[in-house]
Amino acid sequence: AQTVTQSQPEMSVQEAETVTLSCTYDTSESDYYLFWYKQPPSRQMILVIRQEAYKQQNATENRFSVNFQKAAKSFSLKISDSQLGDAAMYFCAYRSPGPSGGGADGLTFGKGTHLIIQP
Amino acid sequence: ETGVTQTPRHLVMGMTNKKSLKCEQHLGHNAMYWYKQSAKKPLELMFVYSLEERVENNSVPSRFSPECPNSSHLFLHLHTLQPEDSALYLCASSQDGTNEKLFFGSGTQLSVL
Repeated sequence: AQTVTQSQPEMSVQEAETVTLSCTYDTSESDYYLFWYKQPPSRQMILVIRQEAYKQQNATENRFSVNFQKAAKSFSLKISDSQLGDAAMYFCAYRSPGPSGGGADGLTFGKGTHLIIQP
Repeated sequence: ETGVTQTPRHLVMGMTNKKSLKCEQHLGHNAMYWYKQSAKKPLELMFVYSLEERVENNSVPSRFSPECPNSSHLFLHLHTLQPEDSALYLCASSQDGTNEKLFFGSGTQLSVL
């Protein structure tokens, strides 16, 4: 079974600074998908960024980027120019491709990192 | 409009009550999920429905009973719950077969007294 570990229960960063959230995972599969989700106080989980394991290039979405190290099974999230609206719980998640290469597999989540933005 | 709507937003129930959580998605997806989010624990996948058929049941106690009458609606029927079942219950949907992302609702915060 896959496991996802987020070793930082809480992180704090000054507004406009850069912060990196760490995530490691354990799997025996070679093909899979990794995600970072954000959960603000509204409780809705919002996708921040997605990485496909077969792609070597790190995914980037505006101020959000990942450092994907497949051999090390590491998938960290970097937030540049932190804004007050970035304050939330951040969850790293893993998804298998599924038996049909895209089956209805749920995500395996880490415990989350609470990100605090200091004004 | 989030695309995935959950009701009620909050629910308080006694251990002998029967209640249902409702989830509706307006995204045309064909897979729906129930997750349980407890404090200090990772989100736990409870049930997966694909094309209205249950494809996964992660050893969830029988006091939780899912129902998927069509591809847009998902229910979680609750009966004789325990206080440790108090948690945030999140519904999600996705397009099966594409590995596209999951879209989540805002959850139902359940308290069992």
